[in-house]
Amino acid sequence: AQSVTQLDSQVPVFEEAPVELRCNYSSSVSVYLFWYVQYPNQGLQLLLKYLSGSTLVKGINGFEAEFNKSQTSFHLRKPSVHISDTAEYFCAVSVGGTGNQFYFGTGTSLTVIP
Amino acid sequence: GAVVSQHPSRVICKSGTSVKIECRSLDFQATTMFWYRQFPKQSLMLMATSNEGSKATYEQGVEKDKFLINHASLTLSTLTVTSAHPEDSSFYICSVFWGQGYGNTIYFGEGSWLTVV
Repeated sequence: AQSVTQLDSQVPVFEEAPVELRCNYSSSVSVYLFWYVQYPNQGLQLLLKYLSGSTLVKGINGFEAEFNKSQTSFHLRKPSVHISDTAEYFCAVSVGGTGNQFYFGTGTSLTVIP
Repeated sequence: GAVVSQHPSRVICKSGTSVKIECRSLDFQATTMFWYRQFPKQSLMLMATSNEGSKATYEQGVEKDKFLINHASLTLSTLTVTSAHPEDSSFYICSVFWGQGYGNTIYFGEGSWLTVV
């Protein structure tokens, strides 16, 4: 069975400080990995994804994530956060290349403090 | 730009009435769309898979007769909440899966807030 664990439900961070949002997954097969961001009262927007190739992937808004197969992790990072980064962040895993095998973490609420 | 459009973004209905939410794939013909429900401060819960030209596939515990899904064309899926009750109030989100050759990625609509009074 597949599962996605986001270890931190809430992450407060001061503006311009770096941030890391953690995501670990469990799967016995190859997976695709994603990070989505949800701003208040909105749908989910794709931040970045790992399908294959370089394990360091860069996304929108200055975010990046690194796929670590040995640690089954896909942590999201940003070197300097902005107030506008305050949002809910979801890690997701896709297995088998079909849409209905997307598994989402419980989300991490990032709050940027001025 | 947006690849999935959802309408309405907010709807209020009276208890016992039905309400329809539309999900459109803007740039891509989607044979499969997905409907999720999200409660405040929680993750997404997959409700059903909408299949163009055939019956939707519902997840365990989701009432088929209450949440009617119609996928009549390659770009439009609708979710109808029938005989709505206050406990159906929630945020409903649709998504489209772009498969092999298109990034193997899910793209989401903007979501629809349903409030049943």
